[in-house]
Formats: sequence, structure tokens, C-alpha cells
Amino acid sequence: GAVVSQHPSRVICKSGTSVKIECRSLDFQATTMFWYRQFPKQSLMLMATSNEGSKATYEQGVEKDKFLINHASLTLSTLTVTSAHPEDSSFYICSARPDRRELAGGPDTQYFGPGTRLTVL
Amino acid sequence: QKEVEQNSGPLSVPEGAIASLNCTYSDRGSQSFFWYRQYSGKSPELIMSIYSNGDKEDGRFTAQLNKASQYVSLLIRDSQPSDSATYLCAVRKAAGNKLTFGGGTRVLVKP
Repeated sequence: GAVVSQHPSRVICKSGTSVKIECRSLDFQATTMFWYRQFPKQSLMLMATSNEGSKATYEQGVEKDKFLINHASLTLSTLTVTSAHPEDSSFYICSARPDRRELAGGPDTQYFGPGTRLTVL
Repeated sequence: QKEVEQNSGPLSVPEGAIASLNCTYSDRGSQSFFWYRQYSGKSPELIMSIYSNGDKEDGRFTAQLNKASQYVSLLIRDSQPSDSATYLCAVRKAAGNKLTFGGGTRVLVKP
């Protein structure tokens, strides 16, 4: 149980285009999901908290108009990188926190998707 | 002071030995503590969670929590080359629902 999928796993795009990344919880519901970014040899950086039915909460320094988040259902959150530039090239990882606390791992546990490697040319 | 601190390593451990990883955190009201493993180029996977003081064992892994000292550790017994990875400590602080991650400790298990 507690499986999170991400699509696509890898994307290469031209500068100026927009890229949408999907994050799905496959066997549980998640009112809250999270989006992280990780540059090579660095730790995870939280970008935003995605809440079903309400606006996302962005971390300081993250441009909400550039990184659009939509949490349309209890199992799906999307991140759209708008007008991508080479400096946006990174490993984007989502996580989901199960609504049901009794899932293995306990309360507050986040389960991560496999990540999306974005390369902007 | 970083909110969650880990020694970046690398921690070099002979195969079969015990690897000991440490993590300290600054928010005394922190509630939940996690260890994740991340292989190079992959996303983090949950190893263990711990919520109360003391030890928690799961297979070859033991997590230890000491809230008074604001310290959480992870022991890996009978280390295997497949344990070579970066280990991330994560903490949920008293306020909010997000996790704060340490920078990770890179572990190398040598055959």
C-alpha cells in the first residue's frame, strides 16, 4: 500500500514552454500533497503544499505564478512549470500524506512519488 | 543553526558492520520523526517513523529518539552494499503539517 505515481518520469522541453507534472496517490486518499525540488547533490527543497479544494501554500521564494499547482481530487495534484527556463531544470518530486492515519508509517508520514527529471534546453 | 542537521558524510562502513547515523533538530516541540533512504537519482523511500522516546526496531534498522536532547538516530545492523545511499532525517515541527529535511548523510558500505 501507500503507492504514489508521477508522470512523466522524464521530460525535455524547449525554453519558454510549459510542462505539467502529475502526482497520483494510487491506493489511498490524500487531501494534502507536497511538491519538492532537488538539485544535484543537494537535499530536498519544499516548494509548496497542495491542498485539495483550496489554494496551494508556497514556500518563501517560490513564484506561485510560475509553478502552478492544482489539487483537483483526493488522489491527484498537478504542478505546471510555466515558461520554463534552463535554470528550472531539476528533479521534481511529489509526496502524499494519507488521510487515513492508520496506514503503515503512522501520522504525518509522506510517501514519495518516483520523481520527474525536467531538462529545459 | 539549521532546523534539522545531519553530518553529510560520507560514512564509510565495512560490510557486516553497524552504521550509526545521527540527526539533531532545533524545534523542541517537534512531534514526528522519519528516516528516508534515497539512492542516487531516485526519490526518497520511507525506512522508519518514530514518535516517542526510546528505540524502535524494524528488521536491520533501529531508530532512537531522545526528545530531551533533540536527537534522533538510525542504526543499520549487518550493513550491506545495497545500503549505500543517502539517508535523510525528517521532522514535523510543532506547528504546521510539513516535514523539514536534513541535508542527508551519505553512507558507503564497502564489501
